[in-house]
Parts: sequence; structure tokens; C-alpha cells
Amino acid sequence: NAGVTQTPKFQVLKTGQSMTLQCAQDMNHNSMYWYRQDPGMGLRLIYYSASEGTTDKGEVPNGYNVSRLNKREFSLRLESAAPSQTSVYFCASSVTPNYGYTFGSGTRLTVV
Amino acid sequence: GESVGLHLPTLSVQEGDNSIINCAYSNSASDYFIWYKQESGKGPQFIIDIRSNMDKRQGQRVTVLLNKTVKHLSLQIAATQPGDSAVYFCAEIYPNTGGFKTIFGAGTRLFVKA
Repeated sequence: NAGVTQTPKFQVLKTGQSMTLQCAQDMNHNSMYWYRQDPGMGLRLIYYSASEGTTDKGEVPNGYNVSRLNKREFSLRLESAAPSQTSVYFCASSVTPNYGYTFGSGTRLTVV
Repeated sequence: GESVGLHLPTLSVQEGDNSIINCAYSNSASDYFIWYKQESGKGPQFIIDIRSNMDKRQGQRVTVLLNKTVKHLSLQIAATQPGDSAVYFCAEIYPNTGGFKTIFGAGTRLFVKA
């Protein structure tokens, strides 16, 4: 039982490049989330998907898009990376939004 | 708020002592609370939770206390071990338009001295 799997673990992008962060969970959870974590800023919600087929903006959605591909997978896309998007990105899932989260191990992204 | 970072509140305890980490939550409508542990370079990990109809819940070496009157949550770790060194943060969950919202607390860095 792998839980929440994120790929890649590390990535360096040049300003303006695009990339997709992948996330998959094998716990049959309904809800999935993308957070970024920055020193001094804590965990900030980018986008979430309360259930398959729905996605909603969180606290800091600008510059990102998401796709809930199926119940297992929730991807985060940066269309044109900016240095301000340098961060550690965490994917998480939960049975429903009013339950605790299982987090992935994170993707450390640097935009130069 | 702030979580993992340079200016987190820090608690330093001796190995074997008990640790108490505190959290003030913001919303009186919050009805579910969770403590997470985040070790360096890893994702947050669920430790223990408590619903608002309880004021105490115990796990293995950990106890969570909830005081709804003053909107305060604490995590007690018994016989603290070096492996407990991490950042700990609380989360509150409350009903919100169309669903529920989770708010993560600032985080406290726990150092365990051998």
C-alpha cells in the first residue's frame, strides 16, 4: 500500500517552461489536494478536488491548473513557470473533505 | 501563518521527558482537529485526531486535549524520543460553503536532546 505517490521528487525549471506534477493515491479516497509549502508561509492550498469530476480553487491558484484524471490521479500543471513558484509541493488525499489527510513525500521545485 | 521555516516556535526537551505542544485555533465552528508531524524532507504525517464532542483522546505515547471554551488544542508526547524531533502542527476543520475547510496552524519545531 503506497499511499500517495508524487512524481518527480525534484525538478529544476527555467522561467517560462511548463511542467506537470503527478499525484496518485491507492486508498480509494474521494478528495485530493495540492499544497505548496514555503519557509515562513506554511501550507497553502492551491487547488483541490472534493470528489472525482470536480475541482476548485484554493488560496493561491494563480499560475496553476489541475486535472482530476480519475479517482486515483490529480495532476498540477505550471503553464509558464516563474521564480515565485519555487517551492515544495505536496499532494494529499482524504476520504472526504472532513477527514484527515494523507500526504505525499513532496516535489521540490526550483525555477531559475 | 507560518509552518516549516526559519522562525518557527521551538520547543527543546530532554530525551525521556514529556513534551507539550500547544495550538490556538480560530474558528468556533470547527468540529474536527488533527495533529500532524513533519520530519525534515518529508510530507506531513497524521498523528492523532479529535472530534469536538470529546475533550481528550489518547494514542500510543500521544494525547490530544481540546478546550473549546478558549479554542485551544494541545499535543502531549510521553517519554519523548530522538525520533520525535520534527515540526508539529495542528489543523482545524469546519463546515464551509459547499463543504468543509481545513486550516493548518503555524507549527512548532520540537528538538529532543539526547
